[in-house]
This record gives sequence, C-alpha cells and structure tokens, in this order.
Amino acid sequence: AQKITQTQPGMFVQEKEAVTLDCTYDTSDQSYGLFWYKQPSSGEMIFLIYQGSYDEQNATEGRYSLNFQKARKSANLVISASQLGDSAMYFCAMREGRRSGGSNYKLTFGKGTLLTVNP
Amino acid sequence: EAQVTQNPRYLITVTGKKLTVTCSQNMNHEYMSWYRQDPGLGLRQIYYSMNVEVTDKGDVPEGYKVSRKEKRNFPLILESPSPNQTSLYFCASSPLLYQETQYFGPGTRLLVL
Repeated sequence: AQKITQTQPGMFVQEKEAVTLDCTYDTSDQSYGLFWYKQPSSGEMIFLIYQGSYDEQNATEGRYSLNFQKARKSANLVISASQLGDSAMYFCAMREGRRSGGSNYKLTFGKGTLLTVNP
Repeated sequence: EAQVTQNPRYLITVTGKKLTVTCSQNMNHEYMSWYRQDPGLGLRQIYYSMNVEVTDKGDVPEGYKVSRKEKRNFPLILESPSPNQTSLYFCASSPLLYQETQYFGPGTRLLVL
C-alpha cells in the first residue's frame, strides 16, 4: 500500500486564486512529520512547509498553509493568491519517527501534482 | 552558506563505465541519503547513512554503492551503469530527527547510453 497518495496528477488555477493540492498518508506511527516540496522545471527541490503529528494548529508559511486532518490522515496544501511562479510540480512527503520497521528516517514521497497557473 | 553540493550536475556516459557522483554537506548533519527521481514515480530512496561508517539500503539499492568515510561526504558509486539507471539523482542531508526537513542538493541528471 502506498504511504503517500496524491490523487491529482495535474491541476490548473487562475492567477490570484487559491488552490488546494490533496495528500493522504498512511502510517501506524504516532510520531511523524509531513512535508511539502516544490520542484520547478529547473529541477531543484524546495522545502515549503512542515506539519508535525503532534501539532494542534495547521502550519502556515506566507501564502502556503497546510490543512491537517489527522483523523482522516490528510495533509492538503493550500496556496493562496496563486502566482505564475507557482507553476511547478508539488510533492507531499512523510518522515516517520521510529527507527525500526524500515522507516530509517527517510522521506517517503507521493508521486506529485503538476500545478499550472494560468494568467 | 548552509548547503548540499553535488557533482557533476549533468553526466552522459556509456553502459559499463564506472562513475561516482559526489555529495557534500556543510551543516554537520548525521543523516545523509540518496534518492532517484523518475517520471510518475516520485522520489525513491537508494541508500542512506545515519553516521560515519553506518550505511544501509533504501528501497532501490540494486546497481549502486555508497560509502561514508567522513561525516560531510556521501558519494554514490555506479560500478557498471546501465540504461535503466538514467535518472535524476538527489543527495539530501538532515539531523536525525523526523521533525526536520531534509536539505536537498541541486540534483544530478544522468544519462546512460
């Protein structure tokens, strides 16, 4: 079973509008972190936002916010006031806290969502 | 400036010719990892290291080797590259904490003919 699922291969949004990118995760750990990364066409991986499993408030970083619903195991990224420069691939990832069972502190990635911002 | 560096950034090679992709970090991180990225598959872990002389296989280790003789360096070795190793490779480092993001290098685009 996939640990990170991003169901939207591609999304389109008009400039200045908000967009939500979906992410669901699967883990039996109590301690874990959820991350979103942006990958523009140039290829680098840019860290956007982090949500810890024990955090009671949704994380926010500028125009990025994370809609964390623990019971549903979802961690959706919300981008407000989209800009043309937001066009990129977006990856959701999870890092589990336990060292046993093969988690080894690695980041497990979803397959990504390609966001296109239209002028 | 805190960073992870990788070299080379781009490489075209032929089947069977041994190559090494270097990775270095200046943040004194314990954890280092190599990922490969292929279209439609996201990033998959190849090897990781939790400290000097401590390395282990990730999800897709076949055809790769690593070493960690110094804390800052974590080279990826392809002893006999094959076309199915054509990919975008990322090195990453972090503290050994699940709460911490991994810091990624700029990536190495490898084409094996």
